[in-house]
Amino acid sequence: QQPVQSPQAVILREGEDAVINCSSSKALYSVHWYRQKHGEAPIFLMILLKGGEQKGHDKISASFNEKKQQSSLYLTASQLSYSGTYFCGTDSGNTPLVFGKGTRLSVIA
Amino acid sequence: DGGITQSPKYLFRKEGQNVTLSCEQNLNHDAMYWYRQDPGQGLRLIYYSQIVNDFQKGDIAEGYSVSREKKESFPLTVTSAQKNPTAFYLCATQRSSGLSYGYTFGSGTRLTVV
Repeated sequence: QQPVQSPQAVILREGEDAVINCSSSKALYSVHWYRQKHGEAPIFLMILLKGGEQKGHDKISASFNEKKQQSSLYLTASQLSYSGTYFCGTDSGNTPLVFGKGTRLSVIA
Repeated sequence: DGGITQSPKYLFRKEGQNVTLSCEQNLNHDAMYWYRQDPGQGLRLIYYSQIVNDFQKGDIAEGYSVSREKKESFPLTVTSAQKNPTAFYLCATQRSSGLSYGYTFGSGTRLTVV
């Protein structure tokens, strides 16, 4: 079953923060996060494995609560380059990723 | 540089015609995937392959076929049985089907029925 992402869309001014949530009805082993610019390939951001680990690089980080089957992506001090559609992909154990419908993020000056 | 090449970038199909989308990788990745992307729908899995000469159906395999005769290649054929093939098709690879590796995506093929 497809994970549910929220919000569907968000508009930020440069420097503002955002949180994107991903929720699944199935037990998860890992959660992936990707960003896609319009008409381009999705780019891998990070993977979170079962264990509640929080990972991040630069000003983008994420957490994974396996008990709640939820993950959140945190974007701090947003930049224009952060604009795009963010997808979470969930894995229930050596299975292909199931992707959410995406969250469209627009950062304006 | 290693990467994934999808071709063609744009493809137009007439009613009743079969077309084949190419996906070639030189990353030496074991697993390969085909996803379909429609506006507002996210990515939906069509077929996947974890090793050469083996592949499995995904959630929306009807009207599609694949082959995996070489590790580097995973072509997707859209048959005339696929009634609504207009979409953006993405090929992805993964170092292995293990849990610690992200997907690498190709740049996609946009298929339009005319």
